[in-house]
Amino acid sequence: GQNIDQPTEMTATEGAIVQINCTYQTSGFNGLFWYQQHAGEAPTFLSYNVLDGLEEKGRFSSFLSRSKGYSYLLLKELQMKDSASYLCAVENRDDKIIFGKGTRLHILP
Amino acid sequence: DTAVSQTPKYLVTQMGNDKSIKCEQNLGHDTMYWYKQDSKKFLKIMFSYNNKELIINETVPNRFSPKSPDKAHLNLHINSLELGDSAVYFCASSHGLAGAREQYFGPGTRLTVT
Repeated sequence: GQNIDQPTEMTATEGAIVQINCTYQTSGFNGLFWYQQHAGEAPTFLSYNVLDGLEEKGRFSSFLSRSKGYSYLLLKELQMKDSASYLCAVENRDDKIIFGKGTRLHILP
Repeated sequence: DTAVSQTPKYLVTQMGNDKSIKCEQNLGHDTMYWYKQDSKKFLKIMFSYNNKELIINETVPNRFSPKSPDKAHLNLHINSLELGDSAVYFCASSHGLAGAREQYFGPGTRLTVT
């Protein structure tokens, strides 16, 4: 089967750093995406990892380990506007993109 | 300037009715998708079209029929609506090239079946 696991909810404080983990088991692997979704809005693209390692983009970084079936999204200098759901998604060898159930991140002042 | 647009944004209808949702993208992408997001916020792919051809068809009741008149449009028609069809439906598009498949989502259509 195909499975993507991420924590349901996390809480962090404004200005801090938070790491959202994602583990996956899929039929083949082409790449891994992270999306951000604010309540009542559409998901928006954050990052895409194909090779092992860390990809940095401003306050957000995404890490991938293909051998471990593991990724994380790192958010630094948290702001209140970062309160949202973060969706991990894997593209399998059939070019199908499978989404995890999302991690709802709450930011406290 | 909207990249991916959907109409309508809200749709309230009764069980047994037939309804359509339209989607258009002006990004020049080759691939378009329909997703369903249920009340638990789980986003699940329903269909994917590449250059007007169906390439992914998940286990979706055949009451749901996508139609792609051209690369820029992918419409979703739903027959005999049921209560369980209530959800937010997102259209998305992407390039068809491996490594460039980040998806751009439309604003969603909130379907409520009563």
